[in-house]
Amino acid sequence: EAAVTQSPRNKVTVTGGNVTLSCRQTNSHNYMYWYRQDTGHGLRLIHYSYGAGNLQIGDVPDGYKATRTTQEDFFLLLELASPSQTSLYFCASSETANTEVFFGKGTRLTVV
Amino acid sequence: QQKVQQSPESLSVPEGGMASLNCTSSDRNFQYFWWYRQHSGEGPKALMSIFSDGDKKEGRFTAHLNKASLHVSLHIRDSQPSDSALYFCAASEGTGGYKVVFGSGTRLLVSP
Repeated sequence: EAAVTQSPRNKVTVTGGNVTLSCRQTNSHNYMYWYRQDTGHGLRLIHYSYGAGNLQIGDVPDGYKATRTTQEDFFLLLELASPSQTSLYFCASSETANTEVFFGKGTRLTVV
Repeated sequence: QQKVQQSPESLSVPEGGMASLNCTSSDRNFQYFWWYRQHSGEGPKALMSIFSDGDKKEGRFTAHLNKASLHVSLHIRDSQPSDSALYFCAASEGTGGYKVVFGSGTRLLVSP
């Protein structure tokens, strides 16, 4: 089965802090996504990529940067973390935008 | 405003009953639809896809798509307590599309 691994699984940081969330997929998928999950909002797309070096802006990009360094690795960067970014973050991958999306187990981020 | 809306927000059915979940898109570019299920503490996992108008049945699960009205539904027959989870509808565009957009989710509780 397709594998998506996120790290860390839990993170606490202070307001204004710097955070990097990491994601690696071993599926040889072209597409990778970062979502945040909040009660009442479901899964909202932050950034996505359809190949190494490619980056696309999602629906809620403010305050986030992303970088796709290789086919396998996709990073989400919060350079000045704010309490509003406290959330459950999921990384995911898929072969195309129309095929099954495989999710990691999530990273719970708390900004205090 | 989210382009994929789900209803109801929560649903409670007795064991053995029928659960019906709804999803409506506001973007006519969306052509491919999926249903995902998320159990507590896990990432979402794909249940089934539907790309053509009409019904698609997989075991106890039946999806229905009406592209003219941009409406997708999921019906769970003979609901089991293990079906209790958060259900997401996901949509993507046709050829050339890259984004996968998820709805706000429906929380299903199946009571023994």
